[in-house]
Amino acid sequence: AQSVAQPEDQVNVAEGNPLTVKCTYSVSGNPYLFWYVQYPNRGLQFLLKYITGDNLVKGSYGFEAEFNKSQTSFHLKKPSALVSDSALYFCAVRETNGWGKLQFGAGTQVVVTP
Amino acid sequence: EAGVVQSPRYKIIEKKQPVAFWCNPISGHNTLYWYLQNLGQGPELLIRYENEEAVDDSQLPKDRFSAERLKGVDSTLKIQPAELGDSAVYLCASSHLAGGEPGELFFGEGSRLTVL
Repeated sequence: AQSVAQPEDQVNVAEGNPLTVKCTYSVSGNPYLFWYVQYPNRGLQFLLKYITGDNLVKGSYGFEAEFNKSQTSFHLKKPSALVSDSALYFCAVRETNGWGKLQFGAGTQVVVTP
Repeated sequence: EAGVVQSPRYKIIEKKQPVAFWCNPISGHNTLYWYLQNLGQGPELLIRYENEEAVDDSQLPKDRFSAERLKGVDSTLKIQPAELGDSAVYLCASSHLAGGEPGELFFGEGSRLTVL
């Protein structure tokens, strides 16, 4: 069975500082990994995904994520946070063998203060 | 390109009443998903369609929930009768790649259900 853990319910950061949102996963094989963002009263929006290849993946709005197989992690990062980055962030994992459903983490609320 | 459209955005009903949610996916997307999102939690898959076929409905509570996608385009999710615990946001998503491809999902804005 696959699972995703986002250990922090909330991350607080000052505008201009680096932002990191943590994610660890568990799958029986190789993973497909995703990050989505959700603004209040809106649906989820895709940020980036890791399929294969380079462990550092770049996505929308200046976000990037690093796949670390040995630590089974896929942390989301942004070098300089903006107030507009304040939102709910979800990590998701899917197994690569056959069609497995996309398993979402519980989400991490990011609060960026001016 | 129009996104995934859901309606209604908000619905308030009394328990034991029926309710239905509608979803129109992005044009050309053959895969459609219904997710349930409780407050403070990540989305949980209810059902997945490949065209008009429900290929994964293992998480759908079939005693009260039903879904259809008759022509392989738009879809309806129904709850009858609704219970207090059904209060949540129901998200529809679509993707344009077949089940084996790791494509991203495009989500609608959701239908927020409140059961009184």
